[in-house]
Amino acid sequence: EAGVAQSPRYKIIEKRQSVAFWCNPISGHATLYWYQQILGQGPKLLIQFQNNGVVDDSQLPKDRFSAERLKGVDSTLKIQPAKLEDSAVYLCASSSTGRGGNTIYFGEGSWLTVV
Amino acid sequence: AQTVTQSQPEMSVQEAETVTLSCTYDTSESNYYLFWYKQPPSRQMILVIRQEAYKQQNATENRFSVNFQKAAKSFSLKISDSQLGDTAMYFCASGGITFGNEKLTFGTGTRLTIIP
Repeated sequence: EAGVAQSPRYKIIEKRQSVAFWCNPISGHATLYWYQQILGQGPKLLIQFQNNGVVDDSQLPKDRFSAERLKGVDSTLKIQPAKLEDSAVYLCASSSTGRGGNTIYFGEGSWLTVV
Repeated sequence: AQTVTQSQPEMSVQEAETVTLSCTYDTSESNYYLFWYKQPPSRQMILVIRQEAYKQQNATENRFSVNFQKAAKSFSLKISDSQLGDTAMYFCASGGITFGNEKLTFGTGTRLTIIP
């Protein structure tokens, strides 16, 4: 079974530029998460989708971050304009349902450096 | 709201020895799950073990076991017969049961090094 796929794996941009990250969850998984992991910290949830609807985006900085999950499968996370403090690993994860306790599978992450 | 605290930023142990990683948590959920995830340098989070809060029996997965003390809100991970491949960051996390509350809240992690 293929895992959670993310691209690009690495990206370096200048501040005020834009960047987009793509995620393909495990086939059939209805729930998709984007987490931000700053160096030295644990992952922090940015947004949770159930199919193509948003369940929780309370910690998403909506003035610069946006995310969508068209057709309830792939998802894209965009940052525009980027700030230095956005340097982090962006982890995509998925699970089969929104029921608590289900295993949440993570991708290898997209590493962003803003200079 | 949920918070997870890991008070040991780094630990090291000799290969084949036993090591225990500490975690405390706080949650407003009446029922919830607790997890330990391993993150190697590749950054992919890998589930090590999970515990459902209403189950009194501590979870075990091969060399990995937990000590779940619900009243104390403590959830420690014990790794027996440690191996070089256990070297990684370890994150404790909590998640609710109900829809919309199952998202994971992570601690700040413990960097574990197994010394040959």
